[in-house]
Amino acid sequence: DAKTTQPPSMDCAEGRAANLPCNHSTISGNEYVYWYRQIHSQGPQYIIHGLKNNETNEMASLIITEDRKSSTLILPHATLRDTAVYYCIVRRYTGANSKLTFGKGITLSVRP
Amino acid sequence: GAGVSQSPSNKVTEKGKDVELRCDPISGHTALYWYRQSLGQGLEFLIYFQGNSAPDKSGLPSDRFSAERTGGSVSTLTIQRTQQEDSAVYLCASSQYTDTQYFGPGTRLTVL
Repeated sequence: DAKTTQPPSMDCAEGRAANLPCNHSTISGNEYVYWYRQIHSQGPQYIIHGLKNNETNEMASLIITEDRKSSTLILPHATLRDTAVYYCIVRRYTGANSKLTFGKGITLSVRP
Repeated sequence: GAGVSQSPSNKVTEKGKDVELRCDPISGHTALYWYRQSLGQGLEFLIYFQGNSAPDKSGLPSDRFSAERTGGSVSTLTIQRTQQEDSAVYLCASSQYTDTQYFGPGTRLTVL
């Protein structure tokens, strides 16, 4: 699976949009971009995933560049509960082994 | 509906003892994964079950680790002769085939 690069940390003010970047310059055509987050002492929580079109759900939006070499996760109105480590993962959708390969992620701190 | 559940939530054991960790996946999910997360580290893949196929054991760190999945549902991860370096949070995830993985809350294992 392609490697991803994320900044180690960022912060944003409560109520503002949080834009979390991810680079995946070696992504191949059959690989999806997944985002998970892990709040302290909890298991990872699925957020969203996409192939090449932008995606939106009740939690977040995912913007993927046209060349698919990078993406941005957008939390439109960050709350204190959104403070967590966010993982950007590139993964083949099919195949015998579909394990997730987690990197170090980006620590988002939402300040009051 | 019910998510992935794991038991126990915490386990403290003495070095050299055997431990069993249990995972109840989401009903109907065909795939089940075990990961572990050592303190301050990312998630490390351990083993993957998919239906009736032979499990992918490529992530198991030593032959002290084993896992089984009975009846295509519940899974047990067994660690024999535990060592202090086995201390970690053990996470289970399930998915429908190779679709999105959903994680349980984890079992925190402490080996004294």
